[in-house]
Amino acid sequence: KQEVTQIPAALSVPEGENLVLNCSFTDSAIYNLQWFRQDPGKGLTSLLLIQSSQREQTSGRLNASLDKSSGRSTLYIAASQPGDSATYLCAVNGAGGTSYGKLTFGQGTILTVHP
Amino acid sequence: DADVTQTPRNRITKTGKRIMLECSQTKGHDRMYWYRQDPGLGLRLIYYSFDVKDINKGEISDGYSVSRQAQAKFSLSLESAIPNQTALYFCATSPIAMTENTGELFFGEGSRLTVL
Repeated sequence: KQEVTQIPAALSVPEGENLVLNCSFTDSAIYNLQWFRQDPGKGLTSLLLIQSSQREQTSGRLNASLDKSSGRSTLYIAASQPGDSATYLCAVNGAGGTSYGKLTFGQGTILTVHP
Repeated sequence: DADVTQTPRNRITKTGKRIMLECSQTKGHDRMYWYRQDPGLGLRLIYYSFDVKDINKGEISDGYSVSRQAQAKFSLSLESAIPNQTALYFCATSPIAMTENTGELFFGEGSRLTVL
């Protein structure tokens, strides 16, 4: 059974810092990995999607990497801003057969960026 | 307007009542999912559907049922609600077209259900 772990559970940083959120998964047979952002009381917003054949994806100040063989992904946020404060979720999409299309989520990292 | 719309957004009900949460999407995606989110447990898959004639149980389907009325509509029912079904429920969709975004999930805003 796939398990996804995110470290740290919570992170508080001053504005302007570069930061890294970590995600690890136990089964390397994945189709893709997706990073989401969730604001309090809101739905999930997709930030980056990395297919299993890719090593990284970038969108603005965000960069996500994937090392499938070691079961790890990182989300790098450059020059953090107070508006980046949210919960960040990592989710793994199982590969093939009955696993395809079913996401396994990590518990999330609660990020607070203070002015 | 949101691409994935859930109704109701908030609902308070009593134990034993039948509840239906509805989801509609304008993204034209074939695949639809229902997840629930609980503090400390993350999001867990309840049911999913890969097309109108396909319904599959997820990780925690007991106590729930679904109906895929059309490509754009996927409803989740609690036949007899119980307090431990209090949670935030999310509907999601994904495309099957073979593009670089294959497998990407798009979520609705969520439906907060409280069972007293």
